[in-house]
Amino acid sequence: DIQMTQSPSSLSASVGDRVTITCRASQSISSYLNWYQQKPGKAPKLLIYAASSLQSGVPSTFSGSGSGTDFTLTISSLQPEDFATYYCQQSYSTPITFGQGTRLEIK
Amino acid sequence: QLQLQESGSGLVKPSQTLSLTCAVSGGSISSDAYSWNWIRQPPGKGLEWIGYIYHSGNTYYNPSLKSRVTISIDRSKNQFSLNLSSVTAADTAVYYCARGEGPWGQGTLVTVSS
Repeated sequence: DIQMTQSPSSLSASVGDRVTITCRASQSISSYLNWYQQKPGKAPKLLIYAASSLQSGVPSTFSGSGSGTDFTLTISSLQPEDFATYYCQQSYSTPITFGQGTRLEIK
Repeated sequence: QLQLQESGSGLVKPSQTLSLTCAVSGGSISSDAYSWNWIRQPPGKGLEWIGYIYHSGNTYYNPSLKSRVTISIDRSKNQFSLNLSSVTAADTAVYYCARGEGPWGQGTLVTVSS
């Protein structure tokens, strides 16, 4: 199985801050990397697919980069509605695996 | 707009079989362009992929669950289903269905308890 490791596990930030979350795969996954946002009691919502493609309807303050084993999700200017848990997911090979999540909290 | 909705029993006894259905609306399940997935999330924990099925009927399961999982597709009803046998308390989770990377259903909580 491909292991996905996110860092940090939790993060405190303020509205307007620039935030970066990283995700590392245990082996190369090319660009088969997706990012999700999950709010309490809700299903995960796709933000970024194929490492850097912005899902329709997602604000342009979100961006993704990387390939191979190292990936980043950047929020350029945090909005109140961005405080949530973020997960990376590899779809390069089965079993599909997720990172453990990064909880983004208000400072 | 494609929507997915999970349904099924919210309470299952240990050793019995968990059965859930995902109804797809706003689009056809009969497209091999997408996989139709089941994912679960134990309370307060992370996401675990269970498996997926294609329109063709080809299935891929997580090896950690493979001996207990069956995913099937009903093209006439535009839905797909999950059966998980011999459940224990460790199978208590919110179960989601999803098309490929998205969208996902809202999820349904399944509790395993006597």
